[in-house]
Amino acid sequence: QSVLTQPPSASGTPGQRVTISCSGSNSNIRRNYVYWYQQLPGMAPKLLIYKNNQRPSGVPDRFSGSKSGTSASLAISGLRSQDEADYYCATWDDNLSGPVVFGGGTKLTVL
Amino acid sequence: EVQLVESGGGLVKPGGSLRLSCAASGFTFSNYSMNWVRQAPGKGLEWVASIGSRSSYMYYADSLKGRFTISRDNAKNSLYLQMNSLRAEDAAVYYCAGGREWELPHFDYWGQGTLVTVSS
Repeated sequence: QSVLTQPPSASGTPGQRVTISCSGSNSNIRRNYVYWYQQLPGMAPKLLIYKNNQRPSGVPDRFSGSKSGTSASLAISGLRSQDEADYYCATWDDNLSGPVVFGGGTKLTVL
Repeated sequence: EVQLVESGGGLVKPGGSLRLSCAASGFTFSNYSMNWVRQAPGKGLEWVASIGSRSSYMYYADSLKGRFTISRDNAKNSLYLQMNSLRAEDAAVYYCAGGREWELPHFDYWGQGTLVTVSS
């Protein structure tokens, strides 16, 4: 059971906008940056969003991140079939001696 | 081109030990924190351990309870994970990841992973 809660699944049709939530607490999301990772089937994870809403070079602006209070969200607009993947949020938790935490992951299906 | 290549995975009996390695190239290894993240079959990502660029800090997941040790050799551009007293629940693909110093969990670079199987 992760300290960060994500919905196990999400879906959308091509062109749609979908959002994936990540719920935490005061000791993690409220006080620290949130990161998002994309893991395509059979591949290693890839950094998608850093410091809540920053995109690494090469990541399309269709992907955006936001944070409010103890929750964060990843939004994907103009959904494409190649966006079908698992998405994970991650952050630092001030209350844990093992301070890095990942959400349980959300499997995005493009219908 | 950035490359992280893990090695050392394989089949080990419960209670056994294994040492994973990660060879880095294409970036200034000594400037980056290095990390291990694992993924059990069909499961999500689980952070394992992190080490600072000059080994100034080391963090471990609570679940490991002192069984794993992370280390690095900047002269060899290499990261290691010594795993002792292995259990069935340690079976996973282990990824090494390079990230921004003091910006955990900012992981810019990932290897392709090495599979650890724990079974008698």
